[in-house]
Amino acid sequence: EPEVTQTPSHQVTQMGQEVILRCVPISNHLYFYWYRQILGQKVEFLVSFYNNEISEKSEIFDDQFSVERPDGSNFTLKIRSTKLEDSAMYFCARGNNRGANPLYGYTFGSGTRLTVV
Amino acid sequence: DQQVKQNSPSLSVQEGRISILNCDYTNSMFDYFLWYKKYPAEGPTFLISISSIKDKNEDGRFTVFLNKSAKHLSLHIVPSQPGDSAVYFCAASMGVGTASKLTFGTGTRLQVTL
Repeated sequence: EPEVTQTPSHQVTQMGQEVILRCVPISNHLYFYWYRQILGQKVEFLVSFYNNEISEKSEIFDDQFSVERPDGSNFTLKIRSTKLEDSAMYFCARGNNRGANPLYGYTFGSGTRLTVV
Repeated sequence: DQQVKQNSPSLSVQEGRISILNCDYTNSMFDYFLWYKKYPAEGPTFLISISSIKDKNEDGRFTVFLNKSAKHLSLHIVPSQPGDSAVYFCAASMGVGTASKLTFGTGTRLQVTL
């Protein structure tokens, strides 16, 4: 299956600024996810998105975060007012041809490295 | 909240030998277990998975073993190749559909030497 493409690959932003991370997971999937990995730590779940709605979010995904699928193909993660601790690799992922059955794995993008200064 | 743990941060194995990566979990509600491989500057790549109703799944050089009573799983790579050098993440899920988020371990860096 086609890969998941994320843009930009690296984003540097000043604390307090808004950032939008983009993902193109192709249009005929229903399940999408955002994960992040702070340097040296494990990959952490942020939010899952099913049928154009948030289905689950973690404690990390507070009011500063939002997700959208604005045009049926792109999938975006917005951080309204970035903090230093938001610096991390952000990965977009999509489900598989069997919806969101973990047995068949999810496809991750190559990530966006967000650096908040 | 360390529901999935990989206690070995690194492992070095000679080319051709067996690599064994271990993972422990605490939540008995996990139904599916996956292994992902990650190279620097890339996203995690799905390797192999196992359902909680099985104790072994094999795919080429990769075999995953699940011991539910011990809440332990392992990934065996035989024979190990230099291209296998990467960080390996164990992940677990409680179900399918909207319950399908993955909980990852901290990863084990595998170095396959010549």
